[in-house]
Amino acid sequence: GIQVEQSPPDLILQEGANSTLRCNFSDSVNNLQWFHQNPWGQLINLFYIPSGTKQNGRLSATTVATERYSLLYISSSQTTDSGVYFCAVGRDTGTASKLTFGTGTRLQVTL
Amino acid sequence: NAGVMQNPRHLVRRRGQEARLRCSPMKGHSHVYWYRQLPEEGLKFMVYLQKENIIDESGMPKERFSAEFPKEGPSILRIQQVVRGDSAAYFCASSLGTGQPQHFGDGTRLSIL
Repeated sequence: GIQVEQSPPDLILQEGANSTLRCNFSDSVNNLQWFHQNPWGQLINLFYIPSGTKQNGRLSATTVATERYSLLYISSSQTTDSGVYFCAVGRDTGTASKLTFGTGTRLQVTL
Repeated sequence: NAGVMQNPRHLVRRRGQEARLRCSPMKGHSHVYWYRQLPEEGLKFMVYLQKENIIDESGMPKERFSAEFPKEGPSILRIQQVVRGDSAAYFCASSLGTGQPQHFGDGTRLSIL
């Protein structure tokens, strides 16, 4: 199956700092999503981005499908950004539509 | 709330009992997925269903676990004769179809005493 690696595994930032999270995957995919799991365990959809670049407020993401990686940028971080960020990829074929998750980047934003 | 609805949010069972987890997909979504998250780990795929059909159950344990998505009503994940190792968060997701983003519910936290 597809392997997904995320880096760094842990990240501590001061409020206001910027960061870049990386997701590498081992095979071609046609589904890639970024999620934020908050301290209460809820999974928040950030981006559906199998290719290209998207921006939503202080967050943006870029996927270079041909090189099998995606980046999540967080600018001007806030304490509410704390939690675990997951990258998940899939190869939808009609009979197989599952997402394979990376092990996540645990982000802590301090005052 | 038009999102994916899961209930209960928390479920406590004793070893040997049955656990039933429910998931109502987003309005208009006919594809449902179940994932399991063990403590301090990422989510792992269990099963993918469409109405009245199991499409892919490659991630389901072979014994004690079953899933259904009937023509009417929510999708059900059923765990029989629960053991301590079944303690986890179980997430349900839904999508409009293949090649579409999956939207996740808030999960059911299952604890086995």
